[in-house]
Amino acid sequence: NAGVTQTPKFRVLKTGQSMTLLCAQDMNHEYMYWYRQDPGMGLRLIHYSVGEGTTAKGEVPDGYNVSRLKKQNFLLGLESAAPSQTSVYFCASSYRGQGVYGYTFGSGTRLTVV
Amino acid sequence: DAKTTQPTSMDCAEGRAANLPCNHSTISGNEYVYWYRQIHSQGPQYIIHGLKNNETNEMASLIITEDRKSSTLILPHATLRDTAVYYCIVSEAGGTSYGKLTFGQGTILTVHP
Repeated sequence: NAGVTQTPKFRVLKTGQSMTLLCAQDMNHEYMYWYRQDPGMGLRLIHYSVGEGTTAKGEVPDGYNVSRLKKQNFLLGLESAAPSQTSVYFCASSYRGQGVYGYTFGSGTRLTVV
Repeated sequence: DAKTTQPTSMDCAEGRAANLPCNHSTISGNEYVYWYRQIHSQGPQYIIHGLKNNETNEMASLIITEDRKSSTLILPHATLRDTAVYYCIVSEAGGTSYGKLTFGQGTILTVHP
């Protein structure tokens, strides 16, 4: 049981490049989330999904797109990376609502945009 | 979701109990209190949550005041590995709510030898 797996773990992008971050969970969770964390700050919700084929905007969605084609996967896309998107990105999943065990987070993707 | 207020930082001696306070005076009746922690550079880890009653699990205890306006997370025997940022979060959960978590600044707990 791997929990929540994020790939890649590290990435350096040039301004204007695009990339996709992959989040995979093997716990059959209905809900999945993408957060970003900037130095010295708490996590901010980018997008979330309450089920396969559905996504919604969170607190800071601009510059990002997401897709949930399969229940176990949640993809975060950056179409044209900007230095302001340099951050650590965390994916999380949960049963409907939060359930007994709360969210399970991945180990993060450290993205630098130069 | 109701806002929470936590001290910026706290210290604790190894082996002693760590008591982390949280104020959530605007909490509504259907909102739970959740605690997560984040050890340096790792993803946050769920610790415990509660609605009205005190809760205990293998990691910690959660004490919620009768008026639910504040709570305390207790780590009964802190170890060096408990050094982390602790987040107190108030959120709806269950039913059809997607249970969005809003992370504030949290409390930096440093456990000293």
